[in-house]
Amino acid sequence: GDSVIQMQGQVTLSENDFLFINCTYSTTGYPTLFWYVQYSGEGPQLLLQVTTANNKGSSRGFEATYDKGTTSFHLQKTSVQEIDSAVYYCAMRDRGSALGRLHFGAGTQLIVIP
Amino acid sequence: AQTIHQWPVAEIKAVGSPLSLGCTIKGKSSPNLYWYWQATGGTLQQLFYSITVGQVESVVQLNLSASRPKDDQFILSTEKLLLSHSGFYLCAWSGDGNTLYFGEGSRLIVV
Repeated sequence: GDSVIQMQGQVTLSENDFLFINCTYSTTGYPTLFWYVQYSGEGPQLLLQVTTANNKGSSRGFEATYDKGTTSFHLQKTSVQEIDSAVYYCAMRDRGSALGRLHFGAGTQLIVIP
Repeated sequence: AQTIHQWPVAEIKAVGSPLSLGCTIKGKSSPNLYWYWQATGGTLQQLFYSITVGQVESVVQLNLSASRPKDDQFILSTEKLLLSHSGFYLCAWSGDGNTLYFGEGSRLIVV
């Protein structure tokens, strides 16, 4: 079945460190891929999305490339700041699936130490 | 601009008591609406979705039910709460069936 895998439960970095959060997906279809960010006590908000394979999405300094060959959609940021501390979710929607059904990864909590 | 409002913000309820959580979307006609549940420290699990008034599809029931009495309103409820219902309930809307926009959530503690 469709699934999204994020391996790191928690990542702790210092300000200006490089961020890399691993995400791989599994589906037989043609997915749209997303990264959502959830700040403490709030609902998730869309960070970026990519619909077409081999394209890159970017927002607020974060980037992710839809790599169909490796079925990956890793999230990167060159220099993290304390305000980036949040939980990051990779998500996938197979365009053939039930309307709006997203498969979310387990989430990765990012802690940035000033 | 579209806004989504959830109520209540938080509740502490006893096992076996009823529950009703609400969600209202303004500024968007005929949105697709969704309920998600998030256990503490857990991922997001879709519970229900609705594409039109009066029509709700269940994805995972968890002894909960949902209704859409108006175009802009989505209700999640149960007659008898279980301890396992504790968590964070999120309402979301979508205009194109692709990108989801979440509300601020309702935190439920069942004791």
